[in-house]
Amino acid sequence: GAGVSQSPSNKVTEKGKDVELRCDPISGHTALYWYRQSLGQGLEFLIYFQGNSAPDKSGLPSDRFSAERTGGSVSTLTIQRTQQEDSAVYLCASSLNEAGYNEQFFGPGTRLTVL
Amino acid sequence: QKEVEQNSGPLSVPEGAIASLNCTYSDRGSQSFFWYRQYSGKSPELIMFIYSNGDKEDGRFTAQLNKASQYVSLLIRDSQPSDSATYLCAVKRGSTLGRLYFGRGTQLTVWP
Repeated sequence: GAGVSQSPSNKVTEKGKDVELRCDPISGHTALYWYRQSLGQGLEFLIYFQGNSAPDKSGLPSDRFSAERTGGSVSTLTIQRTQQEDSAVYLCASSLNEAGYNEQFFGPGTRLTVL
Repeated sequence: QKEVEQNSGPLSVPEGAIASLNCTYSDRGSQSFFWYRQYSGKSPELIMFIYSNGDKEDGRFTAQLNKASQYVSLLIRDSQPSDSATYLCAVKRGSTLGRLYFGRGTQLTVWP
């Protein structure tokens, strides 16, 4: 079956612009996660959605970052007034169920470059 | 203290050798443990997970968990050049639903 998909694969933007990144999770997966990875760094958690529960936004670095998940499936991560330090690979992952074993499967990522 | 710590490496082993990758974690309530492989420029790929103390084998890979020592490791037997990648250790804490805590990864190079 299809894996997690993300779009766009690459995004170059100018400082101060807004960007939207999209994630399509694996069909049937109820949990969806956003992480980001800066060059040479580990994965930094951003936000987590589980079904209809309120999302865990504890990893969002500032109020310029927001995310939504429509219909329990597709998610959009929005970064407003982008800054150069926002440049990173943004990774989306999904898992079948948050309880139990929580194996997360990652999409290919969106490489964001802020000039 | 970081949630999850790994030696950054690089770790370099000859083809056919055993590569040993180590990870420690800080939260004693952690319940499940994952190893991801990440090739340069690619996204992480899940290769192993373990939940119970002891060893878990899958092909050339063995994950080892010792909850008392808060230590998890990954052994790669008969290492191949195609195993050259960064290996990420990830931990799910018992007190936090959903999210994983990742180490910064260990870079492994297997030379022919």
